[in-house]
Amino acid sequence: AQTVTQSQPEMSVQEAETVTLSCTYDTSESDYYLFWYKQPPSRQMILVIRQEAYKQQNATENRFSVNFQKAAKSFSLKISDSQLGDAAMYFCAYRIAGNMLTFGGGTRLMVKP
Amino acid sequence: DAGITQSPRHKVTETGTPVTLRCHQTENHRYMYWYRQDPGHGLRLIHYSYGVKDTDKGEVSDGYSVSRSKTEDFLLTLESATSSQTSVYFCATGQNNQPQHFGDGTRLSIL
Repeated sequence: AQTVTQSQPEMSVQEAETVTLSCTYDTSESDYYLFWYKQPPSRQMILVIRQEAYKQQNATENRFSVNFQKAAKSFSLKISDSQLGDAAMYFCAYRIAGNMLTFGGGTRLMVKP
Repeated sequence: DAGITQSPRHKVTETGTPVTLRCHQTENHRYMYWYRQDPGHGLRLIHYSYGVKDTDKGEVSDGYSVSRSKTEDFLLTLESATSSQTSVYFCATGQNNQPQHFGDGTRLSIL
C-alpha cells in the first residue's frame, strides 16, 4: 500500500519570507503523480502544483515550487515571498494511473504579519 | 473549477438514522469520488465511481454505500449513522490522468 507522510503538523513563516513543507511517500511504482493541495478555512481544496514522476525538472507555479527527489521519495513544497493568503492546510498527495489519490495528514501553515 | 455542488453543507443527526449526501457536477467528468477528512488523517477515499452504475470501494468503505444513476450525480449513503462517521465529507471529480477537483465539503455531525 502507498503511504504519504507529512512530518510537520504545523509550520509558521513571517510574511515575505520563504517556507518549505516536507512530504515523503512510499511506493513500488515507477510512474505516478504527486500533488500539493491547499485548503483554506473555507474548506475548499485547491490544487497548488503537480509533478509527474517521469519528469526530472521540478515543477513551479509562480511563488510555489517543489523539490522532487525520486530516489529519496521526497516531494517538498517551497513557498517564496509568503503572503497572508497562503495561510491554510496543505496536503501532499500521490496518485498512480486510475486516479486513486492518497493524501498525507496535512500541514497547517500560519503566516505572521 | 469543475462546478461541483455538495448538499447539504452541514447536517446534524442522531446515531442510527440514515443519511444521504449528494454531489452534483456540471462538467461531465467521468470519475467521481467521496472522501472523508479527519484530523491527522488527511483525506481518505470512501468510494468512487468510474461511470454510471460503475462504483468501487475505497480505503474506508465500511458503513457506506454509493449510487450513481446519472453522470452528474453521486450519492453517498450512511444506512445507519454512527458517531465514528462524524467527519467532513468531500466529493471530487476527475478525468483520466487529470488532477481531481473538489467540492466545498459537507460537515456531518452524528450525536
